[in-house]
Amino acid sequence: EAQVTQNPRYLITVTGKKLTVTCSQNMNHEYMSWYRQDPGLGLRQIYYSMNVEVTDKGDVPEGYKVSRKEKRNFPLILESPSPNQTSLYFCASSPGAGPGEGEKLFFGSGTQLSVL
Amino acid sequence: AQSVAQPEDQVNVAEGNPLTVKCTYSVSGNPYLFWYVQYPNRGLQFLLKYITGDNLVKGSYGFEAEFNKSQTSFHLKKPSALVSDSALYFCAVRGLNTGTASKLTFGTGTRLQVTL
Repeated sequence: EAQVTQNPRYLITVTGKKLTVTCSQNMNHEYMSWYRQDPGLGLRQIYYSMNVEVTDKGDVPEGYKVSRKEKRNFPLILESPSPNQTSLYFCASSPGAGPGEGEKLFFGSGTQLSVL
Repeated sequence: AQSVAQPEDQVNVAEGNPLTVKCTYSVSGNPYLFWYVQYPNRGLQFLLKYITGDNLVKGSYGFEAEFNKSQTSFHLKKPSALVSDSALYFCAVRGLNTGTASKLTFGTGTRLQVTL
């Protein structure tokens, strides 16, 4: 089944403890992206990647890192999480150049992160 | 900068009645426009998109959207609502003349509640 898989679904951590949220897609998509969803703010893009070893900042990249060493994986890294990073996170992928070329996004089921 | 406005936090409609979820946008140049739906505890799912061509776009689950360039709007519509349509709906835009090709800007979302 074609899908975007995120892990974990739920994560509670403490301020300053490094964490990684994994994202994997099995559709051979070039484009991958991370979003955070907050009430009243909708979805905001954190980082995106056009292909292996190609990443770029979205609208809210501060406090996050990403890497794209393989086409299928795009992990999101919080080196020193803070409470303002408590949010619902979504990974998404898209064929070709992504929404910039009119392609639709395929989303994972989300990761609810709480930073205490 | 590109932006999307969804002026209604919630729309309530009775089953069988027509529904409209509003979206207006601001971009430089011609837009790519998308609607996504989010069911509880799920990631977003693509509904439909406008790239070019006919102003009336048909999508999944009987939904359609009308692109109006003069009013910079892309309202989502359905002739007869179902209780199962109850969900959170997001409008998104990608402007063709943005500096970074693959940024997609989402609205804040509109919760659709369909009652019997």
